[in-house]
Formats: sequence, structure tokens, C-alpha cells
Amino acid sequence: AQTVTQSQPEMSVQEAETVTLSCTYDTSESDYYLFWYKQPPSRQMILVIRQEAYKQQNATENRFSVNFQKAAKSFSLKISDSQLGDAAMYFCAYRYTGTASKLTFGTGTRLQVTL
Amino acid sequence: EAGVAQSPRYKIIEKRQSVAFWCNPISGHATLYWYQQILGQGPKLLIQFQNNGVVDDSQLPKDRFSAERLKGVDSTLKIQPAKLEDSAVYLCASSLAVGALHFGNGTRLTVT
Repeated sequence: AQTVTQSQPEMSVQEAETVTLSCTYDTSESDYYLFWYKQPPSRQMILVIRQEAYKQQNATENRFSVNFQKAAKSFSLKISDSQLGDAAMYFCAYRYTGTASKLTFGTGTRLQVTL
Repeated sequence: EAGVAQSPRYKIIEKRQSVAFWCNPISGHATLYWYQQILGQGPKLLIQFQNNGVVDDSQLPKDRFSAERLKGVDSTLKIQPAKLEDSAVYLCASSLAVGALHFGNGTRLTVT
């Protein structure tokens, strides 16, 4: 079974600084997706960034980028130029590329952004 | 494109009562998911539909939870009778066969 581990329950970053959230996963599959979702107090899960396992290039979306290390099964999220609106729970998630596969979440990291 | 719609937003019930949640996925998304998110935890999959068929309901407490997706579009999740430990946020999501899941705003259930 696939598992996703986030070892940092809470992180804090100053506004305009950079922070990295860690995620490791376990799978026997070779083709899959990895995601970072953001969940603000409004509760809606918002997709931040996605990575296809077959791609060697790390995904980037504006201030958000990932460091994908397939051999190490590591998938960290870097937030640059942190903003107050980035404060939220961040969940790492895994999905096998098989048709209609489920999404497996980690336990989440709460990110605080301070002035 | 319209997102995943869920209702109600909040629900408070007493234990042993019943409750139902509704979800309308993004048009064209064949796969629909119900997740349970207990406070401080990551979401846990309760049930997954592909069109109107169940793909995975291994973690659905079938003695009290039921779900259906008639006509392969919208879906309802029911709890009967509710227990205190059912207090959680219930998230509905939909997706194409592959790729990212798109989530609704969730329903916060409080069982007293």
C-alpha cells in the first residue's frame, strides 16, 4: 500500500522569506503523480503544484517549486517570497497513474507566516 | 468551469440521528470521491465511484455509512445512526481518469 509521510507538523516563516516543506512516500509503482494541496481555514483543498513521476524536471508554479527525488522517494515543496496568504495546512499527496486510482494524503504541515 | 458543489456547509446533529450530504462534481468528471477529514489529520478516503459504480469502499463503515451515485453524476453520503466520532469535515472531490482531484468546500459535521 502507498503511504505518504510529512514529518513536520508545523513550520513558520517570515514574510518574504523562503520555506521548504518535506514529504516522503512509499510505493512500488514506477509511474504516478505527486501533488501539494493547500487547505486554508475555509477548508477547501486547493491544488498548488503537481509532478509526474516520469518527468525529471522539477515542477514550478510561480513562487512554488518542488524538489522531486524519485530514487529517494522524496517530494519537498519550496515557497519563495512567502506571503501572509500562504498560511494554511499543506498536504502532500500521491496518486498512481492507473485509471480511477485514489489520492493518498500525508498528515499535513501547518505553515504560519509571520510579519 | 464550475467547481465541485457540496451542501450543506455545516451540520449539527445529536448522536443516533441521521444526516445526508450532497455533492455535484465537475461536469465530465467520471470519478467521484468522498473523504473524511478528522480535525488535525489528513483526509481519508471513504468511497470512490467510477461513473455510478463503486471502485473502492474498503474504509467505509458500512454498518452506518452509505453512499450512492445515481446516474453517474451527483452523489449523496448518508450516516445513520451518527456517532460522536463521526464529527469531521466531509470532502467531496471529482477527477478525470488521471490527474489531479478537484475538491468542494466540504461539510463540517458536529455530532453532540
